[in-house]
Amino acid sequence: AQRVTQPEKLLSVFKGAPVELKCNYSYSGSPELFWYVQYSRQRLQLLLRHISRESIKGFTADLNKGETSFHLKKPFAQEEDSAMYYCALKSTNKLIFGTGTLLAVQP
Amino acid sequence: DGGITQSPKYLFRKEGQNVTLSCEQNLNHDAMYWYRQDPGQGLRLIYYSQIVNDFQKGDIAEGYSVSREKKESFPLTVTSAQKNPTAFYLCASTPKWGGQYSPLHFGNGTRLTVT
Repeated sequence: AQRVTQPEKLLSVFKGAPVELKCNYSYSGSPELFWYVQYSRQRLQLLLRHISRESIKGFTADLNKGETSFHLKKPFAQEEDSAMYYCALKSTNKLIFGTGTLLAVQP
Repeated sequence: DGGITQSPKYLFRKEGQNVTLSCEQNLNHDAMYWYRQDPGQGLRLIYYSQIVNDFQKGDIAEGYSVSREKKESFPLTVTSAQKNPTAFYLCASTPKWGGQYSPLHFGNGTRLTVT
């Protein structure tokens, strides 16, 4: 079955601390994975995709096929990073989302 | 200003009544989607449409219906058969599914409360 698992509902860190938001997936074939973010009072939007191997707002995510993971990382958290983060897997005709992790960055 | 518009932002209904949520896009996108967002459950796909006059059920289609008579519009009806309709509903679109991925563009959502 195709599935995305985000084990943490809430991740609370202090400003300047490293951040790692976990995402594991289940998919037969070559997966395409994404991170979406929803800031307070804003629309859900794409943060980054694994194919691009890009860094957006200091965030990176590496696809690890051996561990079936796509964890989102940032070395130094900022208060403006506080938001809801969703990991998503591209399926045949749709995106499958995880349950989301709320990141709270404390001053 | 191109984008996706969902209306209304808040909707209240009595149990047993059908209600229709509006989703309009002026992005000229072919594919449109309806997701339901519940705390702790993430986004779950209700229905999607890849082309006008065609749509498919998602993972939780029971109690919902849609139509796609125009490219820019994809209304969702929450029927009285939906057992737990109170939720936050998100509409999204993308130029065309398949091939080179284009990200989903989301609306601001409609919060439906049924009492």
